[in-house]
Amino acid sequence: AQSVTQLDSQVPVFEEAPVELRCNYSSSVSVYLFWYVQYPNQGLQLLLKYLSGSTLVKGINGFEAEFNKSQTSFHLRKPSVHISDTAEYFCAVSQGGGSNYKLTFGKGTLLTVNP
Amino acid sequence: GAVVSQHPSRVICKSGTSVKIECRSLDFQATTMFWYRQFPKQSLMLMATSNEGSKATYEQGVEKDKFLINHASLTLSTLTVTSAHPEDSSFYICSATAGAQPQHFGDGTRLSIL
Repeated sequence: AQSVTQLDSQVPVFEEAPVELRCNYSSSVSVYLFWYVQYPNQGLQLLLKYLSGSTLVKGINGFEAEFNKSQTSFHLRKPSVHISDTAEYFCAVSQGGGSNYKLTFGKGTLLTVNP
Repeated sequence: GAVVSQHPSRVICKSGTSVKIECRSLDFQATTMFWYRQFPKQSLMLMATSNEGSKATYEQGVEKDKFLINHASLTLSTLTVTSAHPEDSSFYICSATAGAQPQHFGDGTRLSIL
């Protein structure tokens, strides 16, 4: 079994400030890790993914995340946020990167960027 | 990137009717499609996994006779909510994938049952 914990349900920040959205996971096997963003009344868009290799993963819109196996974490960061980054962010884990593997999602973190 | 189209984006109907939601992969052949349900301010709950040409695999607690899933081609899967009731009102999202690709999501369908 696998699970994902997003420690913060809401994160308010000011524009141009740095942000970190936290994600911890638990699994008895190796995992693949993902961050998705959801804008209001829309589906999910993939920000970045960790499958293997370098533990620092760069994604779209200036986001990056670092896989830390010893701490079972995959925190999402951005050095300077914009108003347009306001959205819900979901961390997810699967046991494989292919089509046969189900995603388990965290409960989400609402990032609100204020002017 | 890969595009998944979901239709309709919003539907309002009377209690007791059946509603069909379509999920199409526009630029790739999706061997697997997933259907999720999302309650307000909550995460996505996987309802079922659909492989082309075979019966869907439903998650525990999801009524397969209530939520009919058909994946007849590599680009189309449908979810039919049969005899819908107000408690079925929710945001339904599909995703599609193939091989080693990550899941690509549709824009969701807001279903409201009166």
